[in-house]
Amino acid sequence: DTAVSQTPKYLVTQMGNDKSIKCEQNLGHDTMYWYKQDSKKFLKIMFSYNNKELIINETVPNRFSPKSPDKAHLNLHINSLELGDSAVYFCASSQAVTDTQYFGPGTRLTVL
Amino acid sequence: QKEVEQDPGPLSVPEGAIVSLNCTYSNSAFQYFMWYRQYSRKGPELLMYTYSSGNKEDGRFTAQVDKSSKYISLFIRDSQPSDSATYLCAMSHSRGTALIFGKGTTLSVSS
Repeated sequence: DTAVSQTPKYLVTQMGNDKSIKCEQNLGHDTMYWYKQDSKKFLKIMFSYNNKELIINETVPNRFSPKSPDKAHLNLHINSLELGDSAVYFCASSQAVTDTQYFGPGTRLTVL
Repeated sequence: QKEVEQDPGPLSVPEGAIVSLNCTYSNSAFQYFMWYRQYSRKGPELLMYTYSSGNKEDGRFTAQVDKSSKYISLFIRDSQPSDSATYLCAMSHSRGTALIFGKGTTLSVSS
């Protein structure tokens, strides 16, 4: 009974391609996040949505576009992929009144 | 100066040892402090959560926050090989905001 799930788990693609990563949570949370973890394991916030509304948008290239069709889903679309986009992308969710964020298993993106 | 500093290690200890992991931070507005554990190729999982200064204990784990020194610690007693993982400190200044993570400390407990 997965709380936060992501698909795909692994994604290998060529430079210049467009790809999407999907995230779903079944915890009833109202806030969802995308984090990027680089090769040195540093985890950094990219976006946050609260009730389908974008509330955090860190300095991320506009090739990255999050979309939240409903409270339980937050997808990440990446255009014109670059080598430097290779990383593990984690989705997380929380109830806004707490800070306990639950993370998904991650999507390992490799750009060749 | 980075907002959150954490020694990446690696830290190697024998089974049964007491482990001390630490983070320092620069933003005095941080109020919520967390420790996450991340096994290889897995997502971070929450270990401990503390609001403001003080101590919190959960089984073999104790989290300490000293806001006056901008210093947080995680102690692991009677460490086990299954504790081998990367430990990430994280903090935020208000509820429902993004967490600011340290770089993580890699711990290896040998049997």
